[in-house]
Amino acid sequence: QVQLQESGPGLVKPSQTLSLTCTVSGASISTGGGYYWSWIRQQPGKGLEWMGYLYPSGSPYYNPSLKSRVTISLGPSSNQLSLGLRSVTAADTGVYFCARTEVAGTVYFDLWGRGTLVSVSS
Amino acid sequence: SYVLTQPPSVSVDPGKTAYITCGGNNIGGKSVHWYQQKPGQAPVLVVNDDSDRPSGIPERYSGSNSGNTATLTIGRVEAGDEADYYCQVWQSSGDHSAVFGGGTKLTVL
Repeated sequence: QVQLQESGPGLVKPSQTLSLTCTVSGASISTGGGYYWSWIRQQPGKGLEWMGYLYPSGSPYYNPSLKSRVTISLGPSSNQLSLGLRSVTAADTGVYFCARTEVAGTVYFDLWGRGTLVSVSS
Repeated sequence: SYVLTQPPSVSVDPGKTAYITCGGNNIGGKSVHWYQQKPGQAPVLVVNDDSDRPSGIPERYSGSNSGNTATLTIGRVEAGDEADYYCQVWQSSGDHSAVFGGGTKLTVL
């Protein structure tokens, strides 16, 4: 059974970089099924915002609205996915999810982690 | 960018059918996916590609998509169906991006 688990600091200061990790168990990110892997966030009381995705042997692709601040990569350990969001403000407060992603003509998210809450505050 | 419009709330009696709509310009030309999110939990995919159900999703959940409106239909609604529901498409023209609707709160009366 494939599971995803997000982790990282729950509090980040304004202007700093938010860094999160998603650990995948039950399958290999690199060799399992041709899936992409995404980060999606949900700001308090708001809907869902896709941040970007990564194919293990390819380059990441980012939401154009966040492209200048986001980095998605593999690691730091095997079977982990990382998210970096630079120059954060209070508007970046929210729950951050990683999700297994199907890309086949369309794109959708068939398995999600439970999410991790990040607050941006001094 | 592409905009998906959902009603903020839908209410339904137990045992009845709930219809949750998702409006977008010529959305019938796109594949629509639906997610259920209960409080404090991760979203769960309930319908993909307009009308396909992932493994484990009850047959009571179905989807349709035509013209400017996609619809998630939940038959024989149960208390456990109470949740937020989000539609989502992939915008493949201009700035490529996944786009979500604003979400609909389904209340079971």
